[in-house]
Amino acid sequence: NAGVMQNPRHLVRRRGQEARLRCSPMKGHSHVYWYRQLPEEGLKFMVYLQKENIIDESGMPKERFSAEFPKEGPSILRIQQVVRGDSAAYFCASSPPQGTANEKLFFGSGTQLSVL
Amino acid sequence: DQQVKQNSPSLSVQEGRISILNCDYTNSMFDYFLWYKKYPAEGPTFLISISSIKDKNEDGRFTVFLNKSAKHLSLHIVPSQPGDSAVYFCAASAQGGSEKLVFGKGMKLTVNP
Repeated sequence: NAGVMQNPRHLVRRRGQEARLRCSPMKGHSHVYWYRQLPEEGLKFMVYLQKENIIDESGMPKERFSAEFPKEGPSILRIQQVVRGDSAAYFCASSPPQGTANEKLFFGSGTQLSVL
Repeated sequence: DQQVKQNSPSLSVQEGRISILNCDYTNSMFDYFLWYKKYPAEGPTFLISISSIKDKNEDGRFTVFLNKSAKHLSLHIVPSQPGDSAVYFCAASAQGGSEKLVFGKGMKLTVNP
């Protein structure tokens, strides 16, 4: 499967624990985006990364949330000390390096985070 | 503050008829608009887009219309098919910004056989 791969598909955490969400972009893609979808809401932009660089993190909550896209390996969205309000579907998308036209965003199937 | 609005949460149409999905936006800086389709337990899939320099874009059964003065766009699907049943999201982006998209809340389309 050459698509955007996200794991795990479902993640259950208790309040105060850490959540780590992983995203492997499509082969050849070097741009990664994270979006969050709260219940009954649209997707909301969180962060845009290229390899080893955060390009735009204007949608990230100021505390507890961080993202990285290392030179090797998947992109990681990390949520520390989770609270119930963090329960949502987290989608990763990727695009190729030479064109960032928005239609070239390819989304993964998402990680559903549930905080107990 | 919702910059992209899809005011109808759901729409039901008969197979073969036209489906019209509407979207309004408030940010006049938006210059590129997209429609995504989403099935349960899957990520959004790009469907069709339109630049603000155009007022219509067509791709097979799908046509998007843009009315900039009204800050309104619509997606027409004709003829509608049962496989079109999904949640449709309208999204927009602004010139000079990063690649972040602003999404509406989505509309659930049901096409009945």
